[in-house]
Amino acid sequence: GQQVMQIPQYQHVQEGEDFTTYCNSSTTLSNIQWYKQRPGGHPVFLIQLVKSGEVKKQKRLTFQFGEAKKNSSLHITATQTTDVGTYFCAGPPTDYKLSFGAGTTVTVRA
Amino acid sequence: EAQVTQNPRYLITVTGKKLTVTCSQNMNHEYMSWYRQDPGLGLRQIYYSMNVEVTDKGDVPEGYKVSRKEKRNFPLILESPSPNQTSLYFCASSFGVPSTDTQYFGPGTRLTVL
Repeated sequence: GQQVMQIPQYQHVQEGEDFTTYCNSSTTLSNIQWYKQRPGGHPVFLIQLVKSGEVKKQKRLTFQFGEAKKNSSLHITATQTTDVGTYFCAGPPTDYKLSFGAGTTVTVRA
Repeated sequence: EAQVTQNPRYLITVTGKKLTVTCSQNMNHEYMSWYRQDPGLGLRQIYYSMNVEVTDKGDVPEGYKVSRKEKRNFPLILESPSPNQTSLYFCASSFGVPSTDTQYFGPGTRLTVL
């Protein structure tokens, strides 16, 4: 079945620096979704990418969907303490299921 | 306020003692789902429901049961819990199928099975 792999598992970032987390699927995805989970909280939807090569921005967050629709990335510029949390990508192996990556847990050094 | 609620939020139990975790949503969503979250494994889908009386297995259904008798409720039942079911559980819902619609997650239930 579809596997969604996400790297790195942990990202320790100096405040103000940039970082990127990557998501790769073993199969072509119809779309990919990104969620953020704050420490002690629940996953919250960030964005969905549908088109090949699509790029979407949310303030300091840039999301990209690969040309082959098998990979995606999330790039955060000028990291702030509010960016702390775990970022998950998720892809649908079928219409009714959603496969999540293992997540990238981000910590920020002030 | 539109939300997904879960109860209890925390539960410590012993092996073999049947338990139910409730999930309710007030958004009139068709689709509901249960996930478990374990360190290093992300969120894994247990069961999902496309509508009332329609449920199906996710990726890790063993040891769990669900029912969908009403649109708003989707309880998760552990008939005979075991220590390997110690985990953080999330209920989620969406208006349509998860391949296209945003998933709204409940606050989570932390379960410990001794």
